[in-house]
Amino acid sequence: DSGVTQTPKHLITATGQRVTLRCSPRSGDLSVYWYQQSLDQGLQFLIQYYNGEERAKGNILERFSAQQFPDLHSELNLSSLELGDSALYFCASSAHNTGQDNNYGYTFGSGTRLTVV
Amino acid sequence: KNQVEQSPQSLIILEGKNCTLQCNYTVSPFSNLRWYKQDTGRGPVSLTIMTFSENTKSNGRYTATLDADTKQSSLHITASQLSDSASYICVVSAREYGNKLVFGAGTILRVKS
Repeated sequence: DSGVTQTPKHLITATGQRVTLRCSPRSGDLSVYWYQQSLDQGLQFLIQYYNGEERAKGNILERFSAQQFPDLHSELNLSSLELGDSALYFCASSAHNTGQDNNYGYTFGSGTRLTVV
Repeated sequence: KNQVEQSPQSLIILEGKNCTLQCNYTVSPFSNLRWYKQDTGRGPVSLTIMTFSENTKSNGRYTATLDADTKQSSLHITASQLSDSASYICVVSAREYGNKLVFGAGTILRVKS
């Protein structure tokens, strides 16, 4: 157990729908990062939050949004889903915020597998 | 063009044998280079983190090397075990892109008995 909790583990939904993925960071970590990993692809950075504020943005579609709550858990909202959105979505957390450059620990959750049918 | 290229794409070795995975990157300047192990359906787990001034770093049977001049890194696995079967991902922290992490596509290693 990495200490980063993601729910749900699996999600199957239809095109056009909206889903919310949840991430609880490791205890004490203030930064949360979201990544998308499509089949046979590398991880693509989506967005980072630090202590409730957006800090960095990657290749995140306008249909996707995220937020980090006062208790530091984060949610990734995916709307108007398309078949191509099917992927593993990972959350990672770290204690510090120096962009994403972090030598102190960067821990991934087990991911949410999203299947859009 | 992917700025972090890994080779081979996949590899099958016998249990007990050694292997070396390669990572070439064009990201420059970079802050650090990391190797992660990702088991199927699980999140990546950090194996090593090296700054540009480090040449080698070990973590048990895993040894990573870095040549910042040629922009190459390798991950050497000694005396492989069945549990080493996973995807190994090279990740470079890119200063020119606001320190974001650039991920390679990974090398899929299968260790068989």
